[in-house]
Order: sequence, then structure tokens, then C-alpha cells
Amino acid sequence: QKEVEQNSGPLSVPEGAIASLNCTYSDRVSQSFFWYRQYSGKSPELIMSIYSNGDKEDGRFTAQLNKASQYVSLLIRDSQPSDSATYLCAVGPRSGNTGKLIFGQGTTLQVKP
Amino acid sequence: EAGVTQFPSHSVIEKGQTVTLRCDPISGHDNLYWYRRVMGKEIKFLLHFVKESKQDESGMPNNRFLAERTGGTYSTLKVQPAELEDSGVYFCASSQGTGNQPQHFGDGTRLSIL
Repeated sequence: QKEVEQNSGPLSVPEGAIASLNCTYSDRVSQSFFWYRQYSGKSPELIMSIYSNGDKEDGRFTAQLNKASQYVSLLIRDSQPSDSATYLCAVGPRSGNTGKLIFGQGTTLQVKP
Repeated sequence: EAGVTQFPSHSVIEKGQTVTLRCDPISGHDNLYWYRRVMGKEIKFLLHFVKESKQDESGMPNNRFLAERTGGTYSTLKVQPAELEDSGVYFCASSQGTGNQPQHFGDGTRLSIL
């Protein structure tokens, strides 16, 4: 079992729809969770961070965390063609001073006009 | 504010040669990380500096890899001698704090070993 799992996709949604991206993780004591967006050949760009159970909204993006079920999701409302990219889920350290992030393989999102 | 910068963007070398990658973190970020993505796999952690000290080097694959951060500013990652399996994209990231603080990534160096 991988430490962080994502469906590789591609996930295809029409423009204006809600895109739902999911991620599960294996280390129950993980404390921090991040979503990065990556365009081909570019750097992973941080779009959301979440640390507590529940929802966190930022513009068209909502991150949802459920530590009991060990999953974190990202919702993108009113999806735009420019949202087409690979979305990476990353899980932060369980404790101590290391900043090691564990990444999933990423989900490719295609938003069709 | 300038982001994390990496040099070179691409490097093609032959097996057995030496390559040095450079990373300049965001100004003021004491924490610097190296990650690697090999073809078809997820991004994997290599090591973490706090200023000039190695905080966690648990992800370094073997002793052919040497990372330095003299003076606590920019960092270099040297691969010597390079092997075919070292091919991939090497990312650098930086953050203001440790642990839970968000990390900001550079565009990466694409390394190809022939």
C-alpha cells in the first residue's frame, strides 16, 4: 500500500462543473495536508493547505479533511480550462522537526470547454 | 519576491560523469528541501536543510549524492558518478518554518543520464 494514494485519472469535467479530487493516506498521525497544482514542465504550485478536520475554502477551491477516514479532498468549483493540470496531494510530517512531504502520484484534470 | 530558482533547467550527461545542481531558496527561508521525481513515479523526498545543517537526509539514495548548503543560503546537489537510474526531475523547495509550514517549489532540473 502506498503512503499517499490518488487516482491518476485523467478526470475529465466540462467547463463550469465541479471537479472533485481525492487522496487517501496511510499514516494516521499525519498532521498537515497540502494540494499542489502542476502544469507540465513547471513547479508544483501550492494552492491549499489544511490541518484540521472539516472544510477550508479559498475562492473556487475547497479542501476537505477527514482524519478518522484518512482522506483529504479538493473541490474546484466553476472549473475552467486553465484548471487543467496535475493535482498533487502531499502529506506532512507526523512529528519532530523534519519537513518531509510524502506525495501521491497526482491526478490529471482535464476541463473541456 | 523572487521564488525558488534552480539551475540548470536541463542537464544531459553520460553515465559516470559528475553533475551539480543548484538551488536558490526564497530569501529569508531557513528551510530548504530536495526532492526527486523519476519517470512514472511520485515526487520523493531526498533531504532537508535548516540553515546549513542537514536536518533529515533519510531520502538520499546512496553515497553518490552529496548535498551542501554552505552559509545557509543556496544549496548544491552533486551526483558523482551518475548512473542511469539517477535520471529524473530534481526539485528544490523552501519554507519559512519547519514541520507544517507550506513549502514552495522551484521549476526543477531535468537530469538525463545517457
